[in-house]
Amino acid sequence: GAVVSQHPSRVICKSGTSVKIECRSLDFQATTMFWYRQFPKQSLMLMATSNEGSKATYEQGVEKDKFLINHASLTLSTLTVTSAHPEDSSFYICSARRLLPFYEQYFGPGTRLTVT
Amino acid sequence: DQQVKQNSPSLSVQEGRISILNCDYTNSMFDYFLWYKKYPAEGPTFLISISSIKDKNEDGRFTVFLNKSAKHLSLHIVPSQPGDSAVYFCAASAGGGGTSYGKLTFGQGTILTVHP
Repeated sequence: GAVVSQHPSRVICKSGTSVKIECRSLDFQATTMFWYRQFPKQSLMLMATSNEGSKATYEQGVEKDKFLINHASLTLSTLTVTSAHPEDSSFYICSARRLLPFYEQYFGPGTRLTVT
Repeated sequence: DQQVKQNSPSLSVQEGRISILNCDYTNSMFDYFLWYKKYPAEGPTFLISISSIKDKNEDGRFTVFLNKSAKHLSLHIVPSQPGDSAVYFCAASAGGGGTSYGKLTFGQGTILTVHP
């Protein structure tokens, strides 16, 4: 159990367009999902915490109007990168937290975004 | 402010020997610690966790040790196998509810290479 999927796995888009990334918990309900970003050879940086049915909580320095997060159900959260620019190119990873044990997060396979 | 540090960027071990990966933290509010394994362009895979009320947790070849007074934890892999070669991240979480609940803070990662 504890499988998390992400779609798409890779996306290339033109500068100025928007891209939506989906994160799904396949075999459990996740009241909380997290979105991370990883730069090459660096650690995972938490961008925002997504709670089902409420507004996402963004980390300091993350533009909420640029990275729109929607957690519409207990198994789905989406991250939309609006008006993407080349500096938004990165590896985006989501995770989902089970109810118990509540600290353990299970990660999706990640999405490689390239903005040209 | 790096609250979770993995000071060894890389570790090389012979197959069959023990791999010891270290992690230090500074935030005394952390009460749950996790180890993840990650391959390039994939999401992290959960390995093992430990609560601050314990000093050791074992799961097969993986054992995590926690020294709260030293704010130090380590992951032991015995015996090491070539398939264990990956990047290992330690992560920490603080309880107590509020906006910090369940958020993971990651170390920088240690690249483990197990030679046949």
